[in-house]
Amino acid sequence: NAGVMQNPRHLVRRRGQEARLRCSPMKGHSHVYWYRQLPEEGLKFMVYLQKENIIDESGMPKERFSAEFPKEGPSILRIQQVVRGDSAAYFCASSPQQGRNTEAFFGQGTRLTVV
Amino acid sequence: TQLLEQSPQFLSIQEGENLTVYCNSSSVFSSLQWYRQEPGEGPVLLVTVVTGGEVKKLKRLTFQFGDARKDSSLHITAAQPGDTGLYLCAGRTQGAQKLVFGQGTRLTINP
Repeated sequence: NAGVMQNPRHLVRRRGQEARLRCSPMKGHSHVYWYRQLPEEGLKFMVYLQKENIIDESGMPKERFSAEFPKEGPSILRIQQVVRGDSAAYFCASSPQQGRNTEAFFGQGTRLTVV
Repeated sequence: TQLLEQSPQFLSIQEGENLTVYCNSSSVFSSLQWYRQEPGEGPVLLVTVVTGGEVKKLKRLTFQFGDARKDSSLHITAAQPGDTGLYLCAGRTQGAQKLVFGQGTRLTINP
């Protein structure tokens, strides 16, 4: 999973500020997933993107959260007007293609703390 | 509701013992993956199983995919303190594109 790069590793924001989390997939990977993890819990799916397309955003909160994966550059998960409940670890995974055997590889995550 | 149910959620055993972790669903999965996650790190892929009844071995770890592709198990033989971590199963149901996770099994191996 060392190939998937997430930054920053740690992010502290005050309530009401915006948080931008970046994810650079492994070389050659065109599919990106974002997950959220609370302490002592599993990973909750948020959004699945392909280059320039949102494929499945069924796990994204309806307000304040958005994601993009532009043709050039990293995928961005954006949280506007953060609240304390947004504090969590956010993980990005990438895969080369879609298919039933396709394996997803994870980055080390961004730990967001809202104060 | 959780699409993938893992059990037990917590397990603490002595070094040298054997253990099995289960991942169950009422849905059929086209593939299932097991990950291990350590504190402060991202999940690391251990194995992918795709065929019903498939068994894969990774040193002391044995992974099995149920015949109906609705469940999976992870068996560890002679557990060691280095096996401590959060074990997560994940899979894609047939026709779905997103990868969903179980809630994880937190394993502690005591020396």
